[in-house]
Amino acid sequence: DTAVSQTPKYLVTQMGNDKSIKCEQNLGHDTMYWYKQDSKKFLKIMFSYNNKELIINETVPNRFSPKSPDKAHLNLHINSLELGDSAVYFCASSQVNTGHNNEQFFGPGTRLTVL
Amino acid sequence: AQSVTQLDSHVSVSEGTPVLLRCNYSSSYSPSLFWYVQHPNKGLQLLLKYTSAATLVKGINGFEAEFKKSETSFHLTKPSAHMSDAAEYFCVVRDLNTGGFKTIFGAGTRLFVKA
Repeated sequence: DTAVSQTPKYLVTQMGNDKSIKCEQNLGHDTMYWYKQDSKKFLKIMFSYNNKELIINETVPNRFSPKSPDKAHLNLHINSLELGDSAVYFCASSQVNTGHNNEQFFGPGTRLTVL
Repeated sequence: AQSVTQLDSHVSVSEGTPVLLRCNYSSSYSPSLFWYVQHPNKGLQLLLKYTSAATLVKGINGFEAEFKKSETSFHLTKPSAHMSDAAEYFCVVRDLNTGGFKTIFGAGTRLFVKA
């Protein structure tokens, strides 16, 4: 029943490791997003995919590589993790092509801690 | 460029008193505006959105917001605060310069509700 799901919910890892976060939406939306929320609760968009195509890449280091195998999934792979990558990562989806007033639906977040 | 400014980082009210969370936007287009709420350690939930159908927008949990073009504002209000309203609130504008694929979050306002 969950509209937007993310796994894992918590991720604790060492600096230098490579990790992935998965996201799935069952709402039939055409657009998916990744956001990073820092310790001060500031939310910033990282990537936006529309129909599996990358639309927005907000000057994110190339250690971050999103992949969208289909419209319902958007995964985030992070190479060579750094301390500054510690944050909560939110996946979201929305239906953009039928109107700009459509809201985004957010996943529960993945709390990444890099030691 | 579109932007959104939340004028207060923290707001503290007593239970049963009115709530006002302020948001100003900058947009060269007719804006697409949203308010989201984030309870501690939770994901984001849509409170309400401005669709240009009406300037006074009613949302969930008794919240409403008024779009004022002349003041470029979209302030969130509630007549009577409840303890369960304590959370982080985000004002969001959809960046139509990017075809609507990017949303810009305000820095957030933390609402405290005193018994």
